[in-house]
Amino acid sequence: GIQVEQSPPDLILQEGANSTLRCNFSDSVNNLQWFHQNPWGQLINLFYIPSGTKQNGRLSATTVATERYSLLYISSSQTTDSGVYFCAGAGGTYKYIFGTGTRLKVLA
Amino acid sequence: NAGVTQTPKFQVLKTGQSMTLQCAQDMNHEYMSWYRQDPGMGLRLIHYSVGAGITDQGEVPNGYNVSRSTTEDFPLRLLSAAPSQTSVYFCASSYNPGELFFGEGSRLTVL
Repeated sequence: GIQVEQSPPDLILQEGANSTLRCNFSDSVNNLQWFHQNPWGQLINLFYIPSGTKQNGRLSATTVATERYSLLYISSSQTTDSGVYFCAGAGGTYKYIFGTGTRLKVLA
Repeated sequence: NAGVTQTPKFQVLKTGQSMTLQCAQDMNHEYMSWYRQDPGMGLRLIHYSVGAGITDQGEVPNGYNVSRSTTEDFPLRLLSAAPSQTSVYFCASSYNPGELFFGEGSRLTVL
């Protein structure tokens, strides 16, 4: 099945800094999403992005489907950005597989 | 619009007991799935369904049963709970599959 690798596993930033999170897939995916899990455990949808680039405020994402990776950019980070960021992908089998996440801590 | 609703939110079981985690969605989504999340780890797929009457195994299906008799509901059954099944369980739904939407999770402790 599809394997999903996320990097870095942990990230500590000062408030206001920018960061890039990466997600690599072992095989082609037709569906790809980024999530933020907040400190209360809720999974928040950030982007559904099987290809191309999307932006939402300080966050943006780019997926290069032909090279099987996706990037999540966080600009001008805030303490409320802290939490765990997951990417997940599904190919033709409909099995949405998650990476192990990037744990982000933003310091005031 | 309630989205994906999971019940109960918290449950404590003794080893060997059985229980059902309920999941309901009101978005007419064909695809539904169950995940478990263990401390410090990502989400692992237990079972999924692409429509009423159709289910399939995910990455970690052992010890769990599912059925899908209606589009709206996708219950997860633990027939004989074990301490290794202590976890947070998440249900998700989407349009085949499309963008996943998650419930708020059910925290299960097996003593």
